[in-house]
Amino acid sequence: DAKTTQPPSMDCAEGRAANLPCNHSTISGNEYVYWYRQIHSQGPQYIIHGLKNNETNEMASLIITEDRKSSTLILPHATLRDTAVYYCIVRASGSARQLTFGSGTQLTVLP
Amino acid sequence: DGGITQSPKYLFRKEGQNVTLSCEQNLNHDAMYWYRQDPGQGLRLIYYSQIVNDFQKGDIAEGYSVSREKKESFPLTVTSAQKNPTAFYLCASTGGTSYNEQFFGPGTRLTVL
Repeated sequence: DAKTTQPPSMDCAEGRAANLPCNHSTISGNEYVYWYRQIHSQGPQYIIHGLKNNETNEMASLIITEDRKSSTLILPHATLRDTAVYYCIVRASGSARQLTFGSGTQLTVLP
Repeated sequence: DGGITQSPKYLFRKEGQNVTLSCEQNLNHDAMYWYRQDPGQGLRLIYYSQIVNDFQKGDIAEGYSVSREKKESFPLTVTSAQKNPTAFYLCASTGGTSYNEQFFGPGTRLTVL
């Protein structure tokens, strides 16, 4: 699976959009970009995934660049409960293969 | 409600003792996973199982053992051979129409004294 690079930490004001970047320059054609988040001392939670088109669900939006070498997770109106570690993971879709977690980005939403 | 349960949430053991961590899911998922997480680090895969009676080693399997006798259950034994067993252990599952999403349990925090 392709390796990802994320900033170790970011801050965001409550109510503002949080934009979390991820670089995955070695991604291959059949690999999807997945985002998970982990609130302190809990199990990770799936957020969203995508291949090449932008995706949106009730939690977030995922913007993938045209060359697919980077992506941005957008939380449109961050709340204090969005404070967590966010993991960007690249993996082939639809398989039972394990997820490979890096160190992620610690997002702190400030009041 | 469907989900994954892990018990207990906190576990203390003396050095040299084996300990078994429980993981149960009622999601009818075929695949189950065990991850270990150390402070400030991401998750690392210990073992995974894609089907009953079959499992594969992950990146850090030494000192651990698993079994998969039932689809719903995937217990992890931390043996005395594991040099640094104190960590946060997370179980996950995936399957059915949900192979794009792994569902995680709440985790067990193991402390070896």
